[in-house]
Amino acid sequence: DQQVKQNSPSLSVQEGRISILNCDYTNSMFDYFLWYKKYPAEGPTFLISISSIKDKNEDGRFTVFLNKSAKHLSLHIVPSQPGDSAVYFCAASRHGSEKLVFGKGMKLTVNP
Amino acid sequence: DAGVIQSPRHEVTEMGQEVTLRCKPISGHDYLFWYRQTMMRGLELLIYFNNNVPIDDSGMPEDRFSAKMPNASFSTLKIQPSEPRDSAVYFCASGHRVGGNQPQHFGDGTRLSIL
Repeated sequence: DQQVKQNSPSLSVQEGRISILNCDYTNSMFDYFLWYKKYPAEGPTFLISISSIKDKNEDGRFTVFLNKSAKHLSLHIVPSQPGDSAVYFCAASRHGSEKLVFGKGMKLTVNP
Repeated sequence: DAGVIQSPRHEVTEMGQEVTLRCKPISGHDYLFWYRQTMMRGLELLIYFNNNVPIDDSGMPEDRFSAKMPNASFSTLKIQPSEPRDSAVYFCASGHRVGGNQPQHFGDGTRLSIL
């Protein structure tokens, strides 16, 4: 039972354009959400997070939007750069739990 | 600061052999996590420790898997006997309590191949 779903396995965009990565979750008890980026042969690295008390969090070119009623979050990257090409994982956790539940990841390719 | 250090980076061994994966967490972190990544199941949590004590091992697939954390700076994940279906990338991560600005920090993983 996949509690965190990244339904699109890949996305390809042109440099300078917006990249939108989507994530859906089924567990309404999740209240903290994170995005990780992973390059080949490296471990995932933390990118940005959002608490369920917010609907938006921005950090430079990266913005995460949370729609609690739809149990949906998205990561926007503007403008996209070739160095953003990586696999992006969405993750979620419940209040009081240290366990992160990850999606299967989405491969983003930004073409020069 | 040094990040999470895992060894070996690659391991190839024959079915039935014992495999030991090692992890050195970031100094000062009180949580340590072991994950496994496969194409089919993605990134799944196997077990995690708090202050060297195993808290939740519900993700450990079978009794062939065991994990220990003898002190705050070292942990092992052991598979005995190993099987081809254990082939995966195993990640160790460390951190403080989830939430706020303290996410988990991952090592670069051990790519395990069981022949």
